[in-house]
Amino acid sequence: GEDVEQSLFLSVREGDSSVINCTYTDSSSTYLYWYKQEPGAGLQLLTYIFSNMDMKQDQRLTVLLNKKDKHLSLRIADTQTGDSAIYFCAFLVSGNTPLVFGKGTRLSVIA
Amino acid sequence: GAGVSQSPSNKVTEKGKDVELRCDPISGHTALYWYRQRLGQGLEFLIYFQGNSAPDKSGLPSDRFSAERTGESVSTLTIQRTQQEDSAVYLCASSPPSYEQFFGPGTRLTVL
Repeated sequence: GEDVEQSLFLSVREGDSSVINCTYTDSSSTYLYWYKQEPGAGLQLLTYIFSNMDMKQDQRLTVLLNKKDKHLSLRIADTQTGDSAIYFCAFLVSGNTPLVFGKGTRLSVIA
Repeated sequence: GAGVSQSPSNKVTEKGKDVELRCDPISGHTALYWYRQRLGQGLEFLIYFQGNSAPDKSGLPSDRFSAERTGESVSTLTIQRTQQEDSAVYLCASSPPSYEQFFGPGTRLTVL
């Protein structure tokens, strides 16, 4: 099965870019996701990328996928205090099956 | 429109008691998932329902855990004889026939 690793903490200054990284072991994932979890809230889907893509940009968010190194990253440009949350990468092998999640990276934004 | 809802939002129970957690998925979503999130951990898959197929129970940690779903609507996750290690946030998600899962706010279960 999939094994997913994320660094637990990241601290950045407001206005800087944040890069959250994720490594995985199973190369059969078809969709790769980034979710955001704010305190006391459920998970919010931020963005996702198909496994046949290398990059996806959506406003301040950029997802990079390096299939050779099995590395997924999320870059947040111009990080704001409202971006403080826990960010999870997640993987899907085929439609309507359970997602496999990393343990999450807690992003703290310093004003 | 309404998202996935879960009740109760918080549940405190004594060790050994049974608890029932409820999930109301988004109308029309054929798939429904239960996940567990322990403190400081990622989400662990518990069980999922897809239409009228038999549920995939491969993630349930013990036979004290069970879940039911009525058609393509409400689901109930039951934990019998709760233990302290069952303390976690239980998250429900639903999905149309696509690759996006929509999550509810979760039920925080505390077993004393």
